Amino acid sequence: SQELEQSPQSLIVQEGKNLTINCTSSKTLYGLYWYKQKYGEGLIFLMMLQKGGEEKSHEKITAKLDEKKQQSSLHITASQPSHAGIYLCGADIIDTDKLIFGTGTRLQVFP
Amino acid sequence: KAGVTQTPRYLIKTRGQQVTLSCSPISGHRSVSWYQQTPGQGLQFLFEYFSETQRNKGNFPGRFSGRQFSNSRSEMNVSTLELGDSALYLCASSILTGNEQYFGPGTRLTVT
Repeated sequence: SQELEQSPQSLIVQEGKNLTINCTSSKTLYGLYWYKQKYGEGLIFLMMLQKGGEEKSHEKITAKLDEKKQQSSLHITASQPSHAGIYLCGADIIDTDKLIFGTGTRLQVFP
Repeated sequence: KAGVTQTPRYLIKTRGQQVTLSCSPISGHRSVSWYQQTPGQGLQFLFEYFSETQRNKGNFPGRFSGRQFSNSRSEMNVSTLELGDSALYLCASSILTGNEQYFGPGTRLTVT
């Protein structure tokens, strides 16, 4: 089973709507990273959250880390077509010294 | 500051051949990690290099190898290519091990 689960796997929203993507770890998190990927291209670093219930925002994207639940959520407010892509969470988790990635959430935003 | 660059961007090889991919990290970054991304398995860690030393390795066969040079540039090599090696290979650099990683555009390898 995946150590890092993302939900939903796919999301289709109308422009202007808000949405949330979740990333849950089965093990203790030490750091959580959010990336965005356009199909077939590299990953664009969005935000890093460190252990301790941190919350960060960049433009219309807000990410939170809930250390009790070992979960992070990525929230997009007033979505735009430019937000479309694949969102991946990556995490430093206990007992590993490499970055583990979730399976990704494919976001489509239609006008 | 220039981002992570990878060459070539696209590559087509036949089974049994070998391939070498190159990655130039962001200036000042000393850690380089390699990942394989496929539709079925997602993004999987291959290995990480720091100061010319392999620091960590994922669960891939010995056909996959890499190295890092004194200028932090890195190469990965895949020998005896198999159809299942077709994937997007991503390289990421960070200042030090454990810091946030910045990814290159990837090399799309197709094995026929």
